Amino acid sequence: GENVEQHPSTLSVQEGDSAVIKCTYSDSASNYFPWYKQELGKRPQLIIDIRSNVGEKKDQRIAVTLNKTAKHFSLHITETQPEDSAVYFCAASKSTGNTPLVFGKGTRLSVIA
Amino acid sequence: ETGVTQTPRHLVMGMTNKKSLKCEQHLGHNAMYWYKQSAKKPLELMFVYSLEERVENNSVPSRFSPECPNSSHLFLHLHTLQPEDSALYLCASSANIAGFTDTQYFGPGTRLTVL
Repeated sequence: GENVEQHPSTLSVQEGDSAVIKCTYSDSASNYFPWYKQELGKRPQLIIDIRSNVGEKKDQRIAVTLNKTAKHFSLHITETQPEDSAVYFCAASKSTGNTPLVFGKGTRLSVIA
Repeated sequence: ETGVTQTPRHLVMGMTNKKSLKCEQHLGHNAMYWYKQSAKKPLELMFVYSLEERVENNSVPSRFSPECPNSSHLFLHLHTLQPEDSALYLCASSANIAGFTDTQYFGPGTRLTVL
């Protein structure tokens, strides 16, 4: 089955700097890659996702890139702000066979003001 | 509260107790999920229901028993739990099961402590 590895497990950046979180997946048939943000004491919420027919997607300060050949995808946050501090989870799944989302173990991002 | 709701938000129970967690979604979705979130294994999928039929059971011990009476409600019945079952239990829903690629919307979770 699918296996998703996420790095780093913790990340601290200065406010205004960029943050990058990387995930690798094992199943080359996976074609859907969402990212969830979970603030302390709150529920995970989808912040951006990408499907395998594109290599990059951007939404304001966040962007996701996908390299299907290398089977990895990354979350990029630019101009970080204190409210970006949270745990970020990547996930992967495929659109066939009723296969579930497989989540990475999460990255705890701290933005230092 | 709209979206996905869960009750109770906090639950403390002894190992011999029987309790139930409730999830309700107000989004008109067809698929509902139970996840366990603990420090050691952040997001573990437990059960998946699509149109009230269970489509996934990730080798979950029988002391956890799900029930989906309709597409808007999902329960998790708990019986004879162990202290290692203490975790945050999250419910989620999505429009369709379709390879699980639809966006999943999570509830606030139930923080369970087993004494």
